[in-house]
Amino acid sequence: EVVMTQSPATLSVSPGDRATLSCRASQTINSNLAWYQQKPGQAPRLLFYDTSTRASGFPARFSGTGSGTEFTLTISSLQSEDFAVYYCQQYDNWPRTFGQGTKVEIK
Amino acid sequence: EVQLLQSGGGLVQPGGSLRLSCAASGFTFTTYAMNWVRQAPGKGLEWVSLTTGSGDNTFLADSVKGRFSISRDNSKNMLYLQMNSLRADDTAVYYCAKCILPTTDAFDIWGQGTMVTVSS
Repeated sequence: EVVMTQSPATLSVSPGDRATLSCRASQTINSNLAWYQQKPGQAPRLLFYDTSTRASGFPARFSGTGSGTEFTLTISSLQSEDFAVYYCQQYDNWPRTFGQGTKVEIK
Repeated sequence: EVQLLQSGGGLVQPGGSLRLSCAASGFTFTTYAMNWVRQAPGKGLEWVSLTTGSGDNTFLADSVKGRFSISRDNSKNMLYLQMNSLRADDTAVYYCAKCILPTTDAFDIWGQGTMVTVSS
């Protein structure tokens, strides 16, 4: 099983600041990585797939980069609606696996 | 509108069974693989199962193998999760989710979620 490790567990950021979230895979997953945003009481929303292809409805301040085993989600200037939990997920190997999540909270 | 509407769920005793349903609309159902993902209270996401568009192939997480099965009825645009021998650690919100592309298992459309509680 590919273990996905996200860091940090919690990120405290002021509105307008940059946020950088990391996701590491225990073995190479090529570019088969997705990111999701989840707010309390809601289903997750797909944010990126294939590492860097932004899903519909998300603005350009979100970017996804990486390959192999190291991946990064960057939010260039945090807005109030961006405070949420973010999960990475690999779909290169079975079983599909998620990271444990990074909570982005208001500083 | 592309939509997944879930039904089923509820309280069940340990060792019991439950079937979850997911009604799809707004897209060509047979084209896309479909999944179940769960989230225990206060915890992260766990992928549970996938069925290919035709339903010919299915995959299960080790934690549910031998107890859960996934199926679909393409004539009715329905996805199912049959859960048997339920345990306390199966307690979670269960989501159905659609793969974004026929060859890409990222999940772009999610159901509203349904709570399954396993308790005596």
